[in-house]
Amino acid sequence: NAGVTQTPKFRILKIGQSMTLQCAQDMNHNYMYWYRQDPGMGLKLIYYSVGAGITDKGEVPNGYNVSRSTTEDFPLRLELAAPSQTSVYFCASRRTGGENTEAFFGQGTRLTVV
Amino acid sequence: DAKTTQPPSMDCAEGRAANLPCNHSTISGNEYVYWYRQIHSQGPQYIIHGLKNNETNEMASLIITEDRKSSTLILPHATLRDTAVYYCIVNRPGGSQGNLIFGKGTKLSVKP
Repeated sequence: NAGVTQTPKFRILKIGQSMTLQCAQDMNHNYMYWYRQDPGMGLKLIYYSVGAGITDKGEVPNGYNVSRSTTEDFPLRLELAAPSQTSVYFCASRRTGGENTEAFFGQGTRLTVV
Repeated sequence: DAKTTQPPSMDCAEGRAANLPCNHSTISGNEYVYWYRQIHSQGPQYIIHGLKNNETNEMASLIITEDRKSSTLILPHATLRDTAVYYCIVNRPGGSQGNLIFGKGTKLSVKP
């Protein structure tokens, strides 16, 4: 039982490049989330999904896209990377939304855009 | 979702109890209070949650006031490894309302 696995752990991108951050969970959780965390700040919700085939925007979705074709995987796509997207990205999963369930977080992907 | 207010930082002596306050005066009747912590830029870690009653687990205790407008997370015997940012979140079940929205939290420093 690996929990929530994020890859890669670190990445440097050049301005304008694209990449996909991978997130996988093996707990059969319905809800999955992507957050970003800038230095000294709390986590900001980018996108979330309540189940396979269903995604929705969070607080800061601009510049990102997601898909949820399976229960296990929730990749985050960055198109045309910008320096403002330099951040640490966390993926999380939860059995349901709220209602007595805890969220499990991955260890993060540290992204630098130069 | 209700907003929370936490002090930006607190200190605690090693071995003593750490009491972290959280104000959530606009909490609704079906919103849970959750506590997470984040140790040095690792992924946040769940600590405890509650609805109305006080709760205790192997990590901490959660005391919720009778009117539910505030709560306190108690780490009974703080260690240096408890140094972290602690987030208090109120969370309504279901859909987008079930999302965990993080504030800036309280940075707890446990000192020898």
